[in-house]
Amino acid sequence: NAGVTQTPKFQVLKTGQSMTLQCAQDMNHEYMSWYRQDPGMGLRLIHYSVGAGITDQGEVPNGYNVSRSTTEDFPLRLLSAAPSQTSVYFCASSHPGQGVNSPLHFGNGTRLTVT
Amino acid sequence: QRVTQPEKLLSVFKGAPVELKCNYSYSGSPELFWYVQYSRQRLQLLLRHISRESIKGFTADLNKGETSFHLKKPFAQEEDSAMYYCALNAGGTSYGKLTFGQGTILTVHP
Repeated sequence: NAGVTQTPKFQVLKTGQSMTLQCAQDMNHEYMSWYRQDPGMGLRLIHYSVGAGITDQGEVPNGYNVSRSTTEDFPLRLLSAAPSQTSVYFCASSHPGQGVNSPLHFGNGTRLTVT
Repeated sequence: QRVTQPEKLLSVFKGAPVELKCNYSYSGSPELFWYVQYSRQRLQLLLRHISRESIKGFTADLNKGETSFHLKKPFAQEEDSAMYYCALNAGGTSYGKLTFGQGTILTVHP
């Protein structure tokens, strides 16, 4: 049982390049989300999804696109990378709790540097 | 809603009490969590206010009057060294969305 798997672990991009951060979970969780972690800023929500075919914006969505074609996968796309997108990106999943919200299960993170 | 962790860094010696502060701003009934990230490990849930439990010797009490959810441990251990995040769900179903504080790096010296 792998949980939440993120690839790649590290990536260096040049300004203007595009790439996709992959996230997959094998727990059949309905909810998935992307956060970025920056020093002094904590974790900030980029996009989230409550199920296949349904996505919505979080606190800092600009410059990022997402899609959710399957329950398992929730890729994050950077269409034109900018230095401000240098960060550590975390994918998380959870399922609807029964009266209580279930905890988030996080991936190991992707460290992205944009030069 | 907003979560504030005023201490970016916190250092204590082994066996000393430790308190990581967390304050929130939200007018309703929030759900509060503490998440922890140990070195080379994933971010994971430490405890939640609903459970009222003690995990690894840590406790946290939700104080609605002071809008705080401080994390406490009476005797810190070296293995407690980690990054700690306080997080808030603004009531109801979270849908995987939490508001996190800035994080506190705890270092426990031998």
